[in-house]
Amino acid sequence: GESVGLHLPTLSVQEGDNSIINCAYSNSASDYFIWYKQESGKGPQFIIDIRSNMDKRQGQRVTVLLNKTVKHLSLQIAATQPGDSAVYFCAENAGGTSYGKLTFGQGTILTVHP
Amino acid sequence: DTAVSQTPKYLVTQMGNDKSIKCEQNLGHDTMYWYKQDSKKFLKIMFSYNNKELIINETVPNRFSPKSPDKAHLNLHINSLELGDSAVYFCASSQETSGAPQFFGPGTRLTVL
Repeated sequence: GESVGLHLPTLSVQEGDNSIINCAYSNSASDYFIWYKQESGKGPQFIIDIRSNMDKRQGQRVTVLLNKTVKHLSLQIAATQPGDSAVYFCAENAGGTSYGKLTFGQGTILTVHP
Repeated sequence: DTAVSQTPKYLVTQMGNDKSIKCEQNLGHDTMYWYKQDSKKFLKIMFSYNNKELIINETVPNRFSPKSPDKAHLNLHINSLELGDSAVYFCASSQETSGAPQFFGPGTRLTVL
């Protein structure tokens, strides 16, 4: 598949387990963060976002946690399903004169086994 | 009812040729972007336009020229294609220039031979 030859971090889980994908960001001035899911042959799909004035935000089956002290972001997926298998990217935006410039992380490959 | 669409999906061409990729969004967004994704899946912004005005140009070679005829369209023209231009190119749009989610198109896989 498309993951062959890629040297991204990987996470393998069983269907029904909870998944946690981690991301370290680089810019302490970043004030907006997004998680994207990218399936093979498709564009990145928006999952959830969080602003720097929050440390947690929940969506449907997903939770994003932000720790500004250590510049760390995580995505928790509850009751992971095979359809969640994809590459997950975190992205940061420094705001201000950076306008909409998103800086993406390297991505994590999530594989969910039935 | 596709939100962000791109054409073509695949583009195979010879070195030295000139090609264009088209992007349209029907979300009513003011800001549009072009990203390049390399073979290692690394995504990097190339350009951003807000209401037809260029606001981000990430030191992309001037062989790449974006054109925005109106705020719903942002096309990418590439002159004198090189082998290193082979990648997947994504168009995206957002409601605001900052602090808003960007919605991506399906991508155009460009292969330069």
